[in-house]
Formats: sequence, structure tokens, C-alpha cells
Amino acid sequence: DADVTQTPRNRITKTGKRIMLECSQTKGHDRMYWYRQDPGLGLRLIYYSFDVKDINKGEISDGYSVSRQAQAKFSLSLESAIPNQTALYFCATGGLAGSTDTQYFGPGTRLTVL
Amino acid sequence: AQSVTQLGSHVSVSEGALVLLRCNYSSSVPPYLFWYVQYPNQGLQLLLKYTSAATLVKGINGFEAEFKKSETSFHLTKPSAHMSDAAEYFCAVSGGGSYIPTFGRGTSLIVHP
Repeated sequence: DADVTQTPRNRITKTGKRIMLECSQTKGHDRMYWYRQDPGLGLRLIYYSFDVKDINKGEISDGYSVSRQAQAKFSLSLESAIPNQTALYFCATGGLAGSTDTQYFGPGTRLTVL
Repeated sequence: AQSVTQLGSHVSVSEGALVLLRCNYSSSVPPYLFWYVQYPNQGLQLLLKYTSAATLVKGINGFEAEFKKSETSFHLTKPSAHMSDAAEYFCAVSGGGSYIPTFGRGTSLIVHP
């Protein structure tokens, strides 16, 4: 079984709808991240969390919110989706304390906002 | 502050030819440097990493990278390209202990028969 899972894998929605993307991990890591990938722009950080009570904005957090329900679960919400949020979204985890910043990625969620 | 520049959004090589993907970084602290690979319809996976030990780092699938502090570079190489190497490659930098990497924009490697 995959260590980092994301649901759904694909989603098509309409402008104005609320969308939640879910991420679960079995690696026992404290650090979790949400990224957005757009062609030619690489990965951009949306939010990150270093433990259940810690939530931090990344470089492109506007229009997004997150919830860290447990050590293993980190959800990303789009309160009112807009077409320029069409992208590939990745969840990632980080290693244990003292580790070297290596990240472990889920398979991604392809979101299309019409 | 940290940043990464990957030179060339696309690199095309013939099967069996040398692969060279370029990455330059800037960091205000001693950096950790990473190369990740993304195969079609998959997430990123770690190819190799530099963490202040040996400057020549060997990774999976025959790839290696050399950390050159004087040139602020961490270029990725492979002596002989294989068709299965076709993928998107990302260079990333983080300051030791920050746990927040900065990724480059990616380089798409195309391998011709």
C-alpha cells in the first residue's frame, strides 16, 4: 500500500463550488505539505503543518484553507473554486525530527474547475 | 532566502547519450540539495540528495550529481540515457533544518530512440 494517499485522484467541478482534497499518510511523519503544480511553474507551496496544532501559510495560500485532523491526515479546501485553481495538487510528508528535509509525495489530485 | 534555477525547461537526448540537467541555487545558509523525478501521472520521488557529506552524490537508476559550492551548482548527470528516463526532473534546495524546500520549475527530459 502507498505511504501517502490522496483522494480523489481526479475531480471536475464548477466555479463557486466548495471542494475538499484529502491526504493520508502511514509514514508516521509530523510534517505535511500541500503543493500546487502548474506547467512551467514547478511546485508552489500552499500550506504546511509541522504538527497537529501547527498550520502555516505558504506562498500561494489565498483562496485555500487546510485542516490537520490528525497526525496522519491533512485536508485542503477550496471554499469557492475558480477556474485558475485548475491544477495538479500534491500532498507531501516530511521525515522525522532531525532528518534532512526529504519529502515523500502522494500521487496527486488533478482538479479542473469549469 | 533560497532559490533554484533550472536551466532549460526541456532537454532532448538520444538513447545512450549523456544526460546533463542543470541546477543553480542560492541559499543564505549551508544548503541541502535534492533532485526529484516525476514520471507521467505520478507524484515526485527522490532521486538523490546532498546533505554536506560527499560532494559527489549517487542516486537511483544510475544518476549522480556534484555539489560545487564555488559555482552554486548541483547538476544532474547520467552517462547513458535510457528510454525509461523520460520524465520531469525537479531540483530543490532547503536551508538545513528549515524543512521548507524551494523547488525549481522543472526540466522535462525527452529521450529519442
